[in-house]
Amino acid sequence: DIQMTQSPSTLSASVGDRVSITCRTSQSIDSWLAWYQQKPGKAPKLLIYKASSLQGGVPSRFSGSGSGTEFTLSISSLQPDDFATYYCQQYNSNYPWTFGQGTKVEIK
Amino acid sequence: QVQLVESGGGVVQPGGSLKLSCAASGFTFSSFAVNWVRQSPGKGLEWLAFIRFDGYTQKYADSVKGRFTISRDNSKNMVFLQMNSLRVEDSGIYFCAKDNTPRWDHDAFDIWGQGTVVSVSS
Repeated sequence: DIQMTQSPSTLSASVGDRVSITCRTSQSIDSWLAWYQQKPGKAPKLLIYKASSLQGGVPSRFSGSGSGTEFTLSISSLQPDDFATYYCQQYNSNYPWTFGQGTKVEIK
Repeated sequence: QVQLVESGGGVVQPGGSLKLSCAASGFTFSSFAVNWVRQSPGKGLEWLAFIRFDGYTQKYADSVKGRFTISRDNSKNMVFLQMNSLRVEDSGIYFCAKDNTPRWDHDAFDIWGQGTVVSVSS
């Protein structure tokens, strides 16, 4: 199985900050990586697919980069609505698909 | 409006069975693969099962293989998860989620249901 290492586990930031979250995979997955945002009591929401493609309706302050084994989710200017938990997920053609452990973005 | 709605969760004793349902609406259901994902209390997300758009392929996580069965009825826009031999560690919120791309077999999940809660306890 492909192992996911997401960091940091918690990130404290202020409104307007630029933040980045990293996801590393134990083997190459090309660009088969997605990023999700989850708020308490809600289902995850797709932000980025295929490592860098912005899902429709998602604000342009979110961006994704990387390929192979190292990926990054960036938020250019953190907004109050962005305080949430973020997960990466690999969906390579080989099952099983796996999620990162999550990064909680909290108010500093 | 594109949506998925899960049902069927509840409280069950270890060793028991439960069948979850996922009702889809607002899109061409028969063109999209569907997955089940679990979130255990206070923990992250775990992919459990996949079924191809036409129902011909199913895949499972090792943690549920041989105990859970995913199926679909494209005539009723429904996906099911039959869960047998349930364990305490199967407790959690169960989400169904559709693939982002039609007629594809490994994809991000663009639409998720609200989840249904399963509690396995004696």
